Amino acid sequence: NAGVMQNPRHLVRRRGQEARLRCSPMKGHSHVYWYRQLPEEGLKFMVYLQKENIIDESGMPKERFSAEFPKEGPSILRIQQVVRGDSAAYFCASSPLNRWVPLFAFFGQGTRLTVV
Amino acid sequence: GQQLNQSPQSMFIQEGEDVSMNCTSSSIFNTWLWYKQDPGEGPVLLIALYKAGELTSNGRLTAQFGITRKDSFLNISASIPSDVGIYFCAGPLPTQGGSEKLVFGKGTKLTVNP
Repeated sequence: NAGVMQNPRHLVRRRGQEARLRCSPMKGHSHVYWYRQLPEEGLKFMVYLQKENIIDESGMPKERFSAEFPKEGPSILRIQQVVRGDSAAYFCASSPLNRWVPLFAFFGQGTRLTVV
Repeated sequence: GQQLNQSPQSMFIQEGEDVSMNCTSSSIFNTWLWYKQDPGEGPVLLIALYKAGELTSNGRLTAQFGITRKDSFLNISASIPSDVGIYFCAGPLPTQGGSEKLVFGKGTKLTVNP
């Protein structure tokens, strides 16, 4: 999973600021998933993207959250006007296929967002 | 939504002891996955199970896919300090667009005392 790069690893934002989380998938992977992990919880699906397309955003909050995966560059998860409840670990995973093939899909190390 | 119920929530054991944890669902899964998360890291796949009744090992880890397809268990034999971490069960569900997303249990936090 070292191949999926997320940055920053830790991010501190004041309430009302914007948070931008970046994810570079493994080489050759064109499918990206974002998950959120609240303290003492499992990971929860947020959004699934292919290059230049949002395929499934059913797990994304309707307001303040957006995601993109441009033709060039990393996938970005953007949280506007952050609130304390946004504090969590955000994980990106990438896959070479549009199915979750466990042996070929990997998670990054996560970005830990703290809102103060 | 779909939920995976994982137990126990936490375990405190002595080095050398065996560990058993399980995961149940109200719905059928066609694949069961077990991941481990070290502190400050992302989940790493331990074992994947694809067939009801399947028993699969990975070193000191053994996992089984329940015959009802609604449960799975993970055993760790002769635990060592580096087994410390959070163990998650997970299963794939269809997403819009024809892909699959994972649904996770809440995890079993394992502490191993040397």
